[in-house]
Amino acid sequence: QITLKESGPTLVKPTQTLTLTCTFSGFSLSTSGVGVGWIRQPPGKALEWLALIYWNDDKRYSPSLKSRLTITKDTSKNQVVLTMTNMDPVDTATYYCAHSTTGYSSGPDDAFDIWGQGTMVTVSS
Amino acid sequence: SYELTQPPSVSVSPGQTARITCSGDALPKQYAYWYQQKPGQAPVLVIYKDSERPSGIPERFSGSSSGTTVTLTISGVQAEDEADYYCQSADSSGTHKVFGGGTKLTVL
Repeated sequence: QITLKESGPTLVKPTQTLTLTCTFSGFSLSTSGVGVGWIRQPPGKALEWLALIYWNDDKRYSPSLKSRLTITKDTSKNQVVLTMTNMDPVDTATYYCAHSTTGYSSGPDDAFDIWGQGTMVTVSS
Repeated sequence: SYELTQPPSVSVSPGQTARITCSGDALPKQYAYWYQQKPGQAPVLVIYKDSERPSGIPERFSGSSSGTTVTLTISGVQAEDEADYYCQSADSSGTHKVFGGGTKLTVL
């Protein structure tokens, strides 16, 4: 059974750097084709894709946020970390991590098929 | 940047068919995925690769694709289907993922 859980601060100040950790179980990020993505959702608004990292350390970023984001993985700890610099109140949102795969011939390939519960981050002074 | 366009809202009566569309220039090249999100919950994948249904998703959920538009169809809508629905795909290169603006399905 695949599970993911996000953790990190609930409150950050403007201009600070946000560090979020996704701790997962039920799969390995050393397995070919596996990936973990980050998606956020401001209150009452739509989902927004942020970043994705694959088993081979291939990293993808939202073009609009690329300069502020860094995604890394620690395979031994079953964790993926997202950092976002220069936080602003508009970055207030629930941040989700989700499991994905790529290159599989069957199943929900390239989808975010399993999601964590999300963690709410408020940016305020 | 690449965008996917959805109608903000769709309303149907119980037992009727709901259709939610999603438009994007790269959809002829890239698969679409649909997620259901109920208040206070994480999204759930209901359709992948345009028209495939994950295990555990009721048969009343189906997907289709035609040119630059994909459609999520919910046949025989039930009260429990009231939720926000998001399409998701990728840009023409497949490098960057993108979500649509979401559609609120109201069951009258």
